[in-house]
Amino acid sequence: GENVEQHPSTLSVQEGDSAVIKCTYSDSASNYFPWYKQELGKGPQLIIDIRSNVGEKKDQRIAVTLNKTAKHFSLHITETQPEDSAVYFCAAKNTNAGKSTFGDGTTLTVKP
Amino acid sequence: EAGVTQFPSHSVIEKGQTVTLRCDPISGHDNLYWYRRVMGKEIKFLLHFVKESKQDESGMPNNRFLAERTGGTYSTLKVQPAELEDSGVYFCASSQRQGVSSGANVLTFGAGSRLTVL
Repeated sequence: GENVEQHPSTLSVQEGDSAVIKCTYSDSASNYFPWYKQELGKGPQLIIDIRSNVGEKKDQRIAVTLNKTAKHFSLHITETQPEDSAVYFCAAKNTNAGKSTFGDGTTLTVKP
Repeated sequence: EAGVTQFPSHSVIEKGQTVTLRCDPISGHDNLYWYRRVMGKEIKFLLHFVKESKQDESGMPNNRFLAERTGGTYSTLKVQPAELEDSGVYFCASSQRQGVSSGANVLTFGAGSRLTVL
């Protein structure tokens, strides 16, 4: 089955700096890679996703890159703000199958 | 639209007792998933319903866990009898049926039910 590894487990940055979270996956059949943000007391919420036919996708301060050959993808947050502090999860999915496989999560702290 | 609702938000029970968690998905979402996060580890898949049918229950830990989705609406996850290792946060997520643009891939999560077994 699919295995997703996520690094780092914790990340602390100064407000305004960039943050990068990296994930690797094992199943070459995976073709959909979402990122979820979980704030305190809430469930994970989709913030950005990328499909395997695209190498990069951007949405304002958030971007995701995908390297299919190396089976890794990354989340980039620029100009971080305190409200970016949360737990971030990467996931991998084969769109022909039901379940998504998640990483262990990264706790991001943005210090004002 | 209303989101995914889970109840209870927190349950504390003793080993050997029974707990039933409930999930109300977004109305019209055919896909319903149960996941669990234990002690800061990954969000681990438990099972997947398509309407009222169990599509994949490969992640269910053992036969102490029973999930149902009668009528294809809300779902319950019962743990009986509960063990210490069952402690964690149980998430429910729903998504649209396959074929509705990319909606089937986008999960909407509930806030989770935190289970503590003493």
